[in-house]
Amino acid sequence: QVQLVQSGSEMGKPGASVKVSCKTSGYTFTNYGISWVRQAPGQGFEWMGWIAVYNGHTDYERKFQGRLSMTIDRPTTTVYMELRSLRLDDTAVYYCARVRRPGGPDTWGQGTLITVSS
Amino acid sequence: DIVMTQPPLSSPVTLGQPASISCRSSRSLVHSDGDTYLSWVQQRPGQPPRPLIYKISNRFSGVPDRFSGSGAGTEFTLKISRVEAEDVGVYYCIQATQFPPTFGQGTRLDIK
Repeated sequence: QVQLVQSGSEMGKPGASVKVSCKTSGYTFTNYGISWVRQAPGQGFEWMGWIAVYNGHTDYERKFQGRLSMTIDRPTTTVYMELRSLRLDDTAVYYCARVRRPGGPDTWGQGTLITVSS
Repeated sequence: DIVMTQPPLSSPVTLGQPASISCRSSRSLVHSDGDTYLSWVQQRPGQPPRPLIYKISNRFSGVPDRFSGSGAGTEFTLKISRVEAEDVGVYYCIQATQFPPTFGQGTRLDIK
C-alpha cells in the first residue's frame, strides 16, 4: 500500500536549519508530486510548497521563498524539506503529502514535530 | 489566493443522527479541465489528516459510505448520514483547483 513515512521530531534554535525526510513506498515514485503542509499547535493547515518528482521542479509559497528547499533522492524514493533561518513561529507539525496536480493530497505522512526554542 | 470558509463548530450531534458541514470558496472551483478539485479530510485528535472525499463527491478507498460530499461552484457540503463515536474530530475542506492549494479553517464535530 502507499506509505509516506517521515523522520522524527526535532528541536532547533532560532536561526538554525532543519531537514525533514519523507520516505515513500507502494507506488511509482515519479508519477506524483509531494506537497509539504504545516500545522501550528491548535491551528489549521498551511501549504508550504510542492515538488514535481519526475523533474524536480518546485513551487514554494511566497512567504517561505529564500529559506525553503525541497529535494529528491530517487534511489531511495525519499523527498526532503529543509527550512532555514528558523523562527519561533515555525514551531509546528510538518506533513508531506502525495499529490497529482491538479488535485489535492491523497496520502499523508504521519507528521514531524519541529520545535523552535531558544 | 482562494479563501475557503468553514464554520468553526457544527451543532453537537446525537449518535446515529446525520451531520452536515459546509464549506464556501471565494471563487468558483471549476478548473479549466472541467473538474472541481474540492476535497475533504478528517483529523482526529493527535492524528494526521485522513482523506475522505475528492473532486466534490468521490470517496477515497476505505472511507465508509455514510460519508458523502456534494456541491458545485463555490458552495460545498460534507454529510455524515449516521454519526458514530469515531467521527469526532475536525473536518477541513481543501481546494486544489487554483495554485496554491488552500484550506478551510476546519469545523469541529462533537457528539451530544
